[in-house]
Amino acid sequence: GAGVSQSPRYKVAKRGQDVALRCDPISGHVSLFWYQQALGQGPEFLTYFQNEAQLDKSGLPSDRFFAERPEGSVSTLKIQRTQQEDSAVYLCASSNSVSTDTQYFGPGTRLTVL
Amino acid sequence: DQQVKQNSPSLSVQEGRISILNCDYTNSMFDYFLWYKKYPAEGPTFLISISSIKDKNEDGRFTVFLNKSAKHLSLHIVPSQPGDSAVYFCAAPQARGYNKLIFGAGTRLAVHP
Repeated sequence: GAGVSQSPRYKVAKRGQDVALRCDPISGHVSLFWYQQALGQGPEFLTYFQNEAQLDKSGLPSDRFFAERPEGSVSTLKIQRTQQEDSAVYLCASSNSVSTDTQYFGPGTRLTVL
Repeated sequence: DQQVKQNSPSLSVQEGRISILNCDYTNSMFDYFLWYKKYPAEGPTFLISISSIKDKNEDGRFTVFLNKSAKHLSLHIVPSQPGDSAVYFCAAPQARGYNKLIFGAGTRLAVHP
């Protein structure tokens, strides 16, 4: 079966542009996470969905960041008015359990804001 | 405040020898730990985990040791192979029953012939 997929794989945006990053989790996975990975750092939590419900968005760095998962499968992370500090790899992960379990990561979207 | 720390950004090991990657944590409530491996341009892939009720978990060439009193865990790879060259991340769920992961900064392992 297919793993977690993300698109686009690479995105270059001019400062001030809006971007939308897509995540297709493993079919049937209940939990979906977004992480941000800056260069030389480990992934940092952004937000968590259980089915379509966004249960935790405590890691979103500002109100320019918005995530949704309207039908409990595909998720979109939107960044409005991008800034240079938003440049990072955005990773999506899914899990078939709501409790502690292995998370399966997608390849990430590398966002570069010029 | 970093709750999960990997203080060695890189490690170089000869093929066939043991690789030891270290991880320290500060939150005594953490009770489950995972190691992920990451190749360039790919997402992290799960490698091995350990629950706090154990002090060792082994899977083939990979063994994770947990020292709760020292809040320290280590990943041993024996024997190391060139294909093991990657970045290794230590991670822990934020809370019991909630798998929001807290990651260390990673250690880049290079296995050379």
